[in-house]
Amino acid sequence: EAGVTQFPSHSVIEKGQTVTLRCDPISGHDNLYWYRRVMGKEIKFLLHFVKESKQDESGMPNNRFLAERTGGTYSTLKVQPAELEDSGVYFCASSQVASRDRANYGYTFGSGTRLTVV
Amino acid sequence: LAKTTQPISMDSYEGQEVNITCSHNNIATNDYITWYQQFPSQGPRFIIQGYKTKVTNEVASLFIPADRKSSTLSLPRVSLSDTAVYYCLVGLDNDYKLSFGAGTTVTVRA
Repeated sequence: EAGVTQFPSHSVIEKGQTVTLRCDPISGHDNLYWYRRVMGKEIKFLLHFVKESKQDESGMPNNRFLAERTGGTYSTLKVQPAELEDSGVYFCASSQVASRDRANYGYTFGSGTRLTVV
Repeated sequence: LAKTTQPISMDSYEGQEVNITCSHNNIATNDYITWYQQFPSQGPRFIIQGYKTKVTNEVASLFIPADRKSSTLSLPRVSLSDTAVYYCLVGLDNDYKLSFGAGTTVTVRA
């Protein structure tokens, strides 16, 4: 089974530019999550999709971040305009179910996109 | 959400057993204990989960005492490729959010 795929693996952009990160979850996984680790900090939750619907976007830092999941398949995370503090690694994960008892078994993470804003 | 405390780093040598203890004094009755492993330039990877006593799989063993206020991840006979960050996670926020702490950086030397 193919894993979670993220593209690009690295991106270097200038402050003020726009960047779009893409995540292809495991086929059939309704739940898709975005996490990120900014430099020196811990991995933090950004948001959760169930199919094409945003279930929880409480972790999104501000309105410069926009996530979409049209058709409930792949997801994109756009940063516009990018700021220096957005630099970090953005992870995507997917799971079949999202429940207290089984969620941890089902989480598969991608390798992440390393974003550098200069 | 239960707070976890684990060592920042541990050094070991090839062939040794590595034991990482995680403290979680405020664990709730229905919380599971889960460990993730993260290699450089990769996302976290689930390695083991348990509720009580002992769980073993092909990668590791997880020991949980009766009071569940701590847990120990045991990696048998480590190799250089086991060098990674290991995260102890307890419970889930809103049933699906994973809360990663700083993790334990395990460095295996030849």
